[in-house]
Amino acid sequence: ELKVEQNPLFLSMQEGKNYTIYCNYSTTSDRLYWYRQDPGKSLESLFVLLSNGAVKQEGRLMASLDTKARLSTLHITAAVHDLSATYFCAVDGGGRPFGNEKLTFGTGTRLTIIP
Amino acid sequence: KAGVTQTPRYLIKTRGQQVTLSCSPISGHRSVSWYQQTPGQGLQFLFEYFSETQRNKGNFPGRFSGRQFSNSRSEMNVSTLELGDSALYLCASSLGEPGRPVLAPLYNYGYTFGSGTRLTVV
Repeated sequence: ELKVEQNPLFLSMQEGKNYTIYCNYSTTSDRLYWYRQDPGKSLESLFVLLSNGAVKQEGRLMASLDTKARLSTLHITAAVHDLSATYFCAVDGGGRPFGNEKLTFGTGTRLTIIP
Repeated sequence: KAGVTQTPRYLIKTRGQQVTLSCSPISGHRSVSWYQQTPGQGLQFLFEYFSETQRNKGNFPGRFSGRQFSNSRSEMNVSTLELGDSALYLCASSLGEPGRPVLAPLYNYGYTFGSGTRLTVV
């Protein structure tokens, strides 16, 4: 059974600082997703990582995937208050060349940016 | 293009009742999956449908069921509601068929989630 561990669970950081959220998973997969969720809202797709070594950046967020280590990271650069949210990683149970299988989510990281 | 539409947004039901939630996927997407989100258990997979067939099922009791129609719209039903069924129910649509080979660049798809239905059981 695929297990996804995400840490830290809670992260409080000052504006302008950098930090990294880690996502480890237990079985082979080369499809990993990062989502953002604001309180009471749905999941907003941030990144789709599809291969070993994949790196994607959007604004102050950068995500990477190391399939050999079964590790993905979400790096926050020079945090701003608008980034306060809960971030989830999710691993797709299917690998290439197959279509999507079910997602197994990490526990989420609640990020609070302090002015 | 229109996103994933879930109705209703909010529901309050009494223990023992049943409830039906609806999800309309993005046009052209034939795969719909359902997830339950609770503070205690996090996000858990319920089931996935493709072309009117259930393709994957999570570890939920038989009170949870679903179906998909020919237009790809999906419904999930929960019978004999319990207090613990209170949750945010999210559906997601995707382009690919689960378990079937796909060719690049179709890999670059994922799941788009709807706004969710918040169910409260009292």
